[in-house]
Amino acid sequence: AQRVTQPEKLLSVFKGAPVELKCNYSYSGSPELFWYVQYSRQRLQLLLRHISRESIKGFTADLNKGETSFHLKKPFAQEEDSAMYYCALRSGGGGTSYGKLTFGQGTILTVHP
Amino acid sequence: ETGVTQSPTHLIKTRGQQVTLRCSSQSGHNTVSWYQQALGQGPQFIFQYYREEENGRGNFPPRFSGLQFPNYSSELNVNALELDDSALYLCASSPLAGGPGELFFGEGSRLTVL
Repeated sequence: AQRVTQPEKLLSVFKGAPVELKCNYSYSGSPELFWYVQYSRQRLQLLLRHISRESIKGFTADLNKGETSFHLKKPFAQEEDSAMYYCALRSGGGGTSYGKLTFGQGTILTVHP
Repeated sequence: ETGVTQSPTHLIKTRGQQVTLRCSSQSGHNTVSWYQQALGQGPQFIFQYYREEENGRGNFPPRFSGLQFPNYSSELNVNALELDDSALYLCASSPLAGGPGELFFGEGSRLTVL
């Protein structure tokens, strides 16, 4: 069975401070990992995916298969980063698993001025 | 480009009743998946539809069923409602199966079962 764990339900930082949202997963195969974000009064949307190895809004995330982690990081947090963040896993191979994401419980990030 | 739309936005039912939730996919998307999000939890996969057929299912009982129509819109039906079915139900669409993995979510239908 696949599982995603986000150990912090709440995370508070001050503007300009570094931020790291933790995500650990359990899956026996080759997973695809994603971070989704939900800003206040907006719908859930993709922030970034590990396969693209991209930086979005200053956020990066590296898949560490040895530690089964996919932590989200940003060196200098901004107030507009305040949101709910979900880590999600999709089993590799597409097909029947395409739309099936396993989500963590989410972390509410608050960036104080 | 029209995003994913869901209806109704809120509804209240009583235990034992049946409910139908509707979803219109984003234009050009042919895969639809449904998620249940209980309060304080992350979304949990119910099932997905591709080419009008169920194509993957999570750990939900058969009283959760769905349909996908030729225009790729979809319905989620829940029979014999239980109190624990109270949740936000999210619909997500995506383009051709096997793509880069981005799901486009609707705003959800909040179901309360009394």
